[in-house]
Amino acid sequence: SQQGEEDPQALSIQEGENATMNCSYKTSINNLQWYRQNSGRGLVHLILIRSNEREKHSGRLRVTLDTSKKSSSLLITASRAADTASYFCATDAFQGAQKLVFGQGTRLTINP
Amino acid sequence: GAVVSQHPSWVICKSGTSVKIECRSLDFQATTMFWYRQFPKQSLMLMATSNEGSKATYEQGVEKDKFLINHASLTLSTLTVTSAHPEDSSFYICSARPPPGWTGELFFGEGSRLTVL
Repeated sequence: SQQGEEDPQALSIQEGENATMNCSYKTSINNLQWYRQNSGRGLVHLILIRSNEREKHSGRLRVTLDTSKKSSSLLITASRAADTASYFCATDAFQGAQKLVFGQGTRLTINP
Repeated sequence: GAVVSQHPSWVICKSGTSVKIECRSLDFQATTMFWYRQFPKQSLMLMATSNEGSKATYEQGVEKDKFLINHASLTLSTLTVTSAHPEDSSFYICSARPPPGWTGELFFGEGSRLTVL
């Protein structure tokens, strides 16, 4: 079963704008990860945030985690056309089977 | 980063035939690999966890006799879709988890698109 829900399901913005995607989950977690998927391709790991972390940065990416609300957000700053892809959050459940469960994803389109 | 190779990238087969998809970790040993299925514009659904040298663990609702998984070595897991039918058409993606010391991320193959006629 899917753990998380993401919103929006689809997001279309102009190049140069910032894109924010949100993810909610249901159970306690060890960590939360964000992945990117170009159409018809595999997934590429973007960033991992542990349950005891609140914010993490990687280049133009900023991830926040609020364990009290069981939610996370991914911010992509100064978006580029090449950022067009689907973005998924995935949770690694605490004391679980160490398997990742993916959210529904956000389809991001960056318009040149 | 670590590389996971998946083959074939696409396959078309007739209904009733079986199809094998391979997932290889090229530069690390993976004691655990995962198989996901993805329908168009949808998320990844975990099908099973493949453990080297032991039986795979299937998620609820996934038919183990339909989707045979073999993890015979530390670098290779295979998924065989047996007696495929059109409803089995989908995008299948494998991922591999590196050995202890792993930071938590998974490394994914490029996926295999199966079309059953």
